[in-house]
Amino acid sequence: DIQMTQSPSSLSASVGDRATIACRASQTISNYLNWYQQKPGKAPKLLIYAASTLQTGVPSRFSGSGSGTDFTLTISSLQPEDFATYYCQQSYNTPRTFGQGTNVEIK
Amino acid sequence: QVQLVQSESELRKPGASVKVSCKASGYSFTNYAINWVRQAPGHGLEWMGWIDTSTGDPTYAQGFTGRFVFYLDTSVSTAYLQITSLKAEDTGVYYCVRGASYGSGSWREVLFDPWGQGTLVTVSS
Repeated sequence: DIQMTQSPSSLSASVGDRATIACRASQTISNYLNWYQQKPGKAPKLLIYAASTLQTGVPSRFSGSGSGTDFTLTISSLQPEDFATYYCQQSYNTPRTFGQGTNVEIK
Repeated sequence: QVQLVQSESELRKPGASVKVSCKASGYSFTNYAINWVRQAPGHGLEWMGWIDTSTGDPTYAQGFTGRFVFYLDTSVSTAYLQITSLKAEDTGVYYCVRGASYGSGSWREVLFDPWGQGTLVTVSS
């Protein structure tokens, strides 16, 4: 199975800050990498697919990059509604594994 | 709009069974796979497997074989997850999510969207 490792596990930041979350795959996955946002008590929501393609309706302050084994999700200027947990997921192979999540908290 | 609506929360005793439903609307049900994802309390997302809605063929991830069954009723655009011989460690929120292809549509070009609202299954004596 492909292991997905996110860092950091949690991140404390202020509104307006830039936030960066890393995701590393245990083997190369090309660009078959998706990012999801989950707020407490809610279902996850797709943000980015194919490593860097923004899902329709997602604000442009979210961006994704990377290929191979190393990927990054960047939020250029954190807004109050962005405080949530973020997960990466690979679709290169089954099982479709997720990272352990990164909790973005308000400082 | 495209949406998946799941059944309500369930409380079961160990050894019992539970069925979770996932009703799709707003799109052609048999054109997209349905995946199932578990989230144990305070934990992350775990992919359980998927069902091909055009054939009814299920695929289970390791750790979800034997007691877990995915099936369909295409006449009502609904997918089901049945769990038998429930254990305390089965407690969690179960999500159904549509698997959609992008790009050229290869089996690797898959994104999960939309998600059902989740069904909390609590196993406790």
